[in-house]
Amino acid sequence: GQNIDQPTEMTATEGAIVQINCTYQTSGFNGLFWYQQHAGEAPTFLSYNVLDGLEEKGRFSSFLSRSKGYSYLLLKELQMKDSASYLCAPMDSNYQLIWGAGTKLIIKP
Amino acid sequence: DGGITQSPKYLFRKEGQNVTLSCEQNLNHDAMYWYRQDPGQGLRLIYYSQIVNDFQKGDIAEGYSVSREKKESFPLTVTSAQKNPTAFYLCASIIEGAGGGYNEQFFGPGTRLTVL
Repeated sequence: GQNIDQPTEMTATEGAIVQINCTYQTSGFNGLFWYQQHAGEAPTFLSYNVLDGLEEKGRFSSFLSRSKGYSYLLLKELQMKDSASYLCAPMDSNYQLIWGAGTKLIIKP
Repeated sequence: DGGITQSPKYLFRKEGQNVTLSCEQNLNHDAMYWYRQDPGQGLRLIYYSQIVNDFQKGDIAEGYSVSREKKESFPLTVTSAQKNPTAFYLCASIIEGAGGGYNEQFFGPGTRLTVL
């Protein structure tokens, strides 16, 4: 079957760095997306990885290891507005996104 | 401004009534999707459509129906057969069919449906 595993909740301090891990099992693989979702709002796109390695985009970076079925999202210089849920979503062989339950990130001053 | 609109943002209905949620996009995207999100769970696919007048069932299609008469519009009807309709419903679209590389899904603002 298809499965996504992310921590349910994480807490970090403003200005710090946090890494959100995601492991996945899918039928085929066509890349992995990370989305940010604030409470009560729609998800917004953060990053896409299809090859192994690190993709950096400002304060956010995303890493992929296809052989391990593993990805992480790295957030640097945390700000209060980064408090949100972070959704890991690999794309399967039918180009459908498989959504994890998300990781709720709480930022403390 | 291009984007996806869903209306209304909040919707209340009595049990046993059908209700239709609207989704309109002016992004000229080919494929459109309906997801349901419950607290503490990931998005679950209800229906998707890759082209006008065609749509496919997702993982949880029972109790729902859709139509795709125009490229811009993909309304979702929640029927009385849906056992637990109270949820947050999200519509999304993508530019090239079902994917094919770096094509992220864009989401509408969502409709929160409460069945009393």
